[in-house]
Amino acid sequence: QVQLVQSGAEVKKPGASVKVSCKASTYTFTGYYMHWVRQAPGQGLEWMGWINPNSGGTNYAQKFQGRVTMTRDTSITTAYMELSRLRSDDTAVYYCARAKSSGILYWGQGTLVTVSS
Amino acid sequence: DIQMTQSPSSLSASVGDRVTITCRASQSISNYLNWYQQKPGKAPKLLIYAASNLQTGVPSRFSGSGSGTDFTLTISSLQPEDFATYYCQQSYSTSWTFGQGTKVEIK
Repeated sequence: QVQLVQSGAEVKKPGASVKVSCKASTYTFTGYYMHWVRQAPGQGLEWMGWINPNSGGTNYAQKFQGRVTMTRDTSITTAYMELSRLRSDDTAVYYCARAKSSGILYWGQGTLVTVSS
Repeated sequence: DIQMTQSPSSLSASVGDRVTITCRASQSISNYLNWYQQKPGKAPKLLIYAASNLQTGVPSRFSGSGSGTDFTLTISSLQPEDFATYYCQQSYSTSWTFGQGTKVEIK
């Protein structure tokens, strides 16, 4: 069964950066794009972007351009999402997710990032 | 970016009711439309992919239809475990987007 295991909860101050990791296992890591989706408390799902683990190529939602960086380390089958210049409205659960066909079938457990002074 | 608009934002229904949720795209997305169910504190679950294909293991009371800009998720007979929030999501463009969600509550 595909497993995506994310790093633990983070508390950050406004203006700081956060880097969330997503360890993938039981499938070919370089064979599938990794997506990142977030959900603010009581709000809907927001797609942030994807990384192609094979090439390292990325595509970010326009809203996050310039603030988000997605990377990967194929040697340890781990993807990363770094968000900089954090604001209070970046408080959310961040998910890594892998698609099958055109839908997201596999999700990490989520990482809560709290931005507070 | 392609905008996805769901309606209604919330609805109240009883067990056994037929429930329909609609999703409209701001431009044609062919059949690149997926539906998810999310319960509180849990990750979303894929129900329908490519507009009308039932994901393995999902009960047959769920169905999807549509193409182009207008799509529908139907629950033929609402069950207690179906009370949740439902999202549509397009994968037509390289930048994906979700609808704002539809919360299905108990009447």
